[in-house]
Amino acid sequence: QVQLVESGGGVVQPGRSLRLSCAASGFSFSTYALHWVRQAPGKGLEWVAGISSGGRDKYYADSVKGRFTISRDDSKDTLYLQMNSLRLEDTAVYYCGRLGYCVRGSCYYYGMDVWGQGTTVTVSS
Amino acid sequence: IVLTQSPGTLSLSPGERATLSCRASQIVNNNYLAWYQKKPGQAPRLLIYGASTRATGVPDRFSGSGSGTDFTLTINRLEPEDFAVYYCQRYHSSWTFGQGTKVEIK
Repeated sequence: QVQLVESGGGVVQPGRSLRLSCAASGFSFSTYALHWVRQAPGKGLEWVAGISSGGRDKYYADSVKGRFTISRDDSKDTLYLQMNSLRLEDTAVYYCGRLGYCVRGSCYYYGMDVWGQGTTVTVSS
Repeated sequence: IVLTQSPGTLSLSPGERATLSCRASQIVNNNYLAWYQKKPGQAPRLLIYGASTRATGVPDRFSGSGSGTDFTLTINRLEPEDFAVYYCQRYHSSWTFGQGTKVEIK
């Protein structure tokens, strides 16, 4: 069964750090690009960060650049989001998702077809 | 790139057709444009990718069209489970979402 499961959310004070994890199963994790998307209370979806298959390329939204770091451990089939210097406006449900795969030098993109169930991050003093 | 969705809210009755628009500030190369359905407490669900290809398991009452900078999601014969918020997203080189269109029961 193809699945992504996030963990690591919680309540944290402004300025502190938190690391989210996204464990994958049921597919060839290393071949897929993976992304984080969040939804703040009452707001729309916001793309946060992405990482290519192999981990060489990393991309960030301006709102988190310099504070968040995306990484992956293909030996553990796990995606991470290290969140530092957290702000009140980072409060949201964070989702991981897979978006495209690369095989034998060719890459195929077809939207984020598999998503985790989300983990809630609350930044509050 | 900025994606602008319209209208913000669509009030319709079951059985009616919904037409949602997504306009990009720049050309979306290779039609890397997707549509998602989002319900409260659930993860987003991919409906359409490549502007017009239905994802696996998506009913054929959902259809996508458009190219370049103008895209449309059409939902024919709205079912009760279709009332939700819909987002468009460019998914290559830039992964921005539109602000969403809420389809609500009239």
